Amino acid sequence: EAQVTQNPRYLITVTGKKLTVTCSQNMNHEYMSWYRQDPGLGLRQIYYSMNVEVTDKGDVPEGYKVSRKEKRNFPLILESPSPNQTSLYFCASSLVEYNEQFFGPGTRLTVL
Amino acid sequence: QKEVEQNSGPLSVPEGAIASLNCTYSDRVSQSFFWYRQYSGKSPELIMSIYSNGDKEDGRFTAQLNKASQYVSLLIRDSQPSDSATYLCAGNSGGYQKVTFGTGTKLQVIP
Repeated sequence: EAQVTQNPRYLITVTGKKLTVTCSQNMNHEYMSWYRQDPGLGLRQIYYSMNVEVTDKGDVPEGYKVSRKEKRNFPLILESPSPNQTSLYFCASSLVEYNEQFFGPGTRLTVL
Repeated sequence: QKEVEQNSGPLSVPEGAIASLNCTYSDRVSQSFFWYRQYSGKSPELIMSIYSNGDKEDGRFTAQLNKASQYVSLLIRDSQPSDSATYLCAGNSGGYQKVTFGTGTKLQVIP
């Protein structure tokens, strides 16, 4: 089954404790992206990747890191999480950057 | 001006009616546009994509793109209660590489 998976689905952590949210797709897509969704602000792009080893900042990259060492994986790293990073996070992928995206199930993160 | 703008709603329509959802975009947004549907607590799922001026129909859904006026719309015919969701408009920006979403329009279909 073609899909985008994310783990964990729910995470409660404390300020400053490094965490990684994994994202994996099995569709051989070149383009992958991370979004956060907050009430009233909609989906905002954090980082995107055009292909392996090619990543770039979206609209809200501060406090986040990403890497793309393999085509299928695109982890999101919060090295020192803060409460303002409490949000619902989505990973998405598409064949290429101007195609429709397929979204993962989301990760609800709470930073205390 | 925001890159992609939508009325947040809620937009209420009776069952069986046509729901019309609108989205405007700035000059920075490129020529690929998408409509996604998102149920509460779920991930967005693609409804329609549209790349060129004019109309594109898929079942009960019609997407319309007007580049001169910089708007994209989604029409849902014969609206059903199951269509009640938030509809997100999105477009490519930054030379296609970035994707910008509107804040979404909440649609309520009243039985």
